[in-house]
Amino acid sequence: DGGITQSPKYLFRKEGQNVTLSCEQNLNHDAMYWYRQDPGQGLRLIYYSQIVNDFQKGDIAEGYSVSREKKESFPLTVTSAQKNPTAFYLCASSTRGLGNTGELFFGEGSRLTVL
Amino acid sequence: DAKTTQPNSMESNEEEPVHLPCNHSTISGTDYIHWYRQLPSQGPEYVIHGLTSNVNNRMASLAIAEDRKSSTLILHRATLRDAAVYYCIVLIYGGSQGNLIFGKGTKLSVKP
Repeated sequence: DGGITQSPKYLFRKEGQNVTLSCEQNLNHDAMYWYRQDPGQGLRLIYYSQIVNDFQKGDIAEGYSVSREKKESFPLTVTSAQKNPTAFYLCASSTRGLGNTGELFFGEGSRLTVL
Repeated sequence: DAKTTQPNSMESNEEEPVHLPCNHSTISGTDYIHWYRQLPSQGPEYVIHGLTSNVNNRMASLAIAEDRKSSTLILHRATLRDAAVYYCIVLIYGGSQGNLIFGKGTKLSVKP
């Protein structure tokens, strides 16, 4: 079945540690996105990538880094510079420019807790 | 991106229709209206989208006002599994960024 796989589902981190969240898709989508969601809030865009080896900052990129070396993969690193990293992280993909349907496909999310 | 306004929460009874409203008074002529929903502890899922005409699919119907300044997502018979946060989003068609801006949405509760 085609879809997006995020791992790990739950992650605990000590303050000052970097952590990398994995996102893999087999939908053959060009575009991939990372969103952050805090309790009771909507989603905020961290980074997005429309094509391999290219990515752009979203609204809240500070303290995060990404890479897009392969079409299928878009890992997110939460660095120690991110002041409040505890959140629910969502990865998504779409055809480039969202195509005709504007449909984003989401993974099941990774819940990061900083101890 | 055009801003949207939705009620924070709504309640429905199981097997009754639900009408979820959304205002988007600053929408432009080529902007699409999208709806997503998010079940607890899951990623959002696409529900429906439209431009001018009313739209139907297996999940829901989308009724778009004639002036396009508002729209309504219709769930014809609510089930307990429809309890979720519903997001109304306006997207510039073909925009290079392709960023859907998710507000707080409407939290729908369904009572048995």
